[in-house]
Amino acid sequence: GAGVSQSPSNKVTEKGKDVELRCDPISGHTALYWYRQSLGQGLEFLIYFQGNSAPDKSGLPSDRFSAERTGGSVSTLTIQRTQQEDSAVYLCASSLERTQDYGYTFGSGTRLTVV
Amino acid sequence: AQSVAQPEDQVNVAEGNPLTVKCTYSVSGNPYLFWYVQYPNRGLQFLLKYITGDNLVKGSYGFEAEFNKSQTSFHLKKPSALVSDSALYFCAVRDTTDSSYKLIFGSGTRLLVRP
Repeated sequence: GAGVSQSPSNKVTEKGKDVELRCDPISGHTALYWYRQSLGQGLEFLIYFQGNSAPDKSGLPSDRFSAERTGGSVSTLTIQRTQQEDSAVYLCASSLERTQDYGYTFGSGTRLTVV
Repeated sequence: AQSVAQPEDQVNVAEGNPLTVKCTYSVSGNPYLFWYVQYPNRGLQFLLKYITGDNLVKGSYGFEAEFNKSQTSFHLKKPSALVSDSALYFCAVRDTTDSSYKLIFGSGTRLLVRP
């Protein structure tokens, strides 16, 4: 597609429920990143995909968080047993792996609210 | 590990005056440096980058930034601010020794340009 698409744009869930957040990167972009932006905080790196593999998961805050990418395209970030501290905007970005110096293209994010 | 510091939570300037948003960084290897802007309810937009070459880089909307290796800084500047420049600005760094190519972001600086 023309840009990075994320869905849903907003999600309200009850504490303890599982949620799935979806990211559709730009077609042909092999690198995909997930970040979290909490209120008043900067962007916190979560995970990096190169194709379908995730060589860097160092930012995932707990084992409740997981992500996968299929077909070198769509990625899903799953949060199990959500907690109130998981409330944040989750941003996805993609880039051409061979041109990392051009930075990323970001999606508009999914605003997650855990009540 | 790489890190980015944006020492000012908010910068206030009058329209027509020059503006500076400060950024310092820490990396093990050589840095790739970026500025992004986030308007309300919008995703992050790329402004400019420093990869190599001229220390003064020019970007979108009349912004520029100067790479200073000795001071490990990459301050964002604009000669004449516009009210429409009011937004949240993020500085980011990629350490060229990091094989995941991830960007590490600062905490953001809110720019408020008053008429």
